[in-house]
Amino acid sequence: SQKIEQNSEALNIQEGKTATLTCNYTNYSPAYLQWYRQDPGRGPVFLLLIRENEKEKRKERLKVTFDTTLKQSLFHITASQPADSATYLCAHSTTGGGNKLTFGTGTQLKVEL
Amino acid sequence: DTAVSQTPKYLVTQMGNDKSIKCEQNLGHDTMYWYKQDSKKFLKIMFSYNNKELIINETVPNRFSPKSPDKAHLNLHINSLELGDSAVYFCASSQESRKLENGYTFGSGTRLTVV
Repeated sequence: SQKIEQNSEALNIQEGKTATLTCNYTNYSPAYLQWYRQDPGRGPVFLLLIRENEKEKRKERLKVTFDTTLKQSLFHITASQPADSATYLCAHSTTGGGNKLTFGTGTQLKVEL
Repeated sequence: DTAVSQTPKYLVTQMGNDKSIKCEQNLGHDTMYWYKQDSKKFLKIMFSYNNKELIINETVPNRFSPKSPDKAHLNLHINSLELGDSAVYFCASSQESRKLENGYTFGSGTRLTVV
């Protein structure tokens, strides 16, 4: 079965730097990878989706890349701020039509002053 | 206006009891889900309903029974609660034809504690 791994449980960076989070998957190539943000005591919030035929997707200070050769997606937050501190979840899904979203273990990002 | 609302937010109950969690979405989505987040923060899908029809059942014990009276509601009933059922349960919804643009919308979760 498919496995999603986010290989950093926690990541601390300084304000203003770029945070880079990694998501690796095993086995077959997922059709889509999604990234979510989760704050303590709240549900995940959708950020970005990237398709397997896309190399890169951007939204404001966020950038996601997808490398099907490495079986990896990178999630970047540029000019990071303390307000970006949260847990970031990578999730994959296959094709449409009632498919399920399978989540990775999450990376807790802390942006320090 | 809350998009996906779950009640209750907290639930503390004794082993062996039966309890229900309710979920409602006002986004007009056609698909709803139940996810369980354990103590290690791992989110795992339990059930998915599309237009009131069960489409995903992820090897969940029979003690868990979802019910979807209409496509805006998905409730979760749990019989004979066990200590291991303690977790945060999240309801989510999506529009099948548009989820690729908008992802899933999650509720704020129900923290279930079985004592």
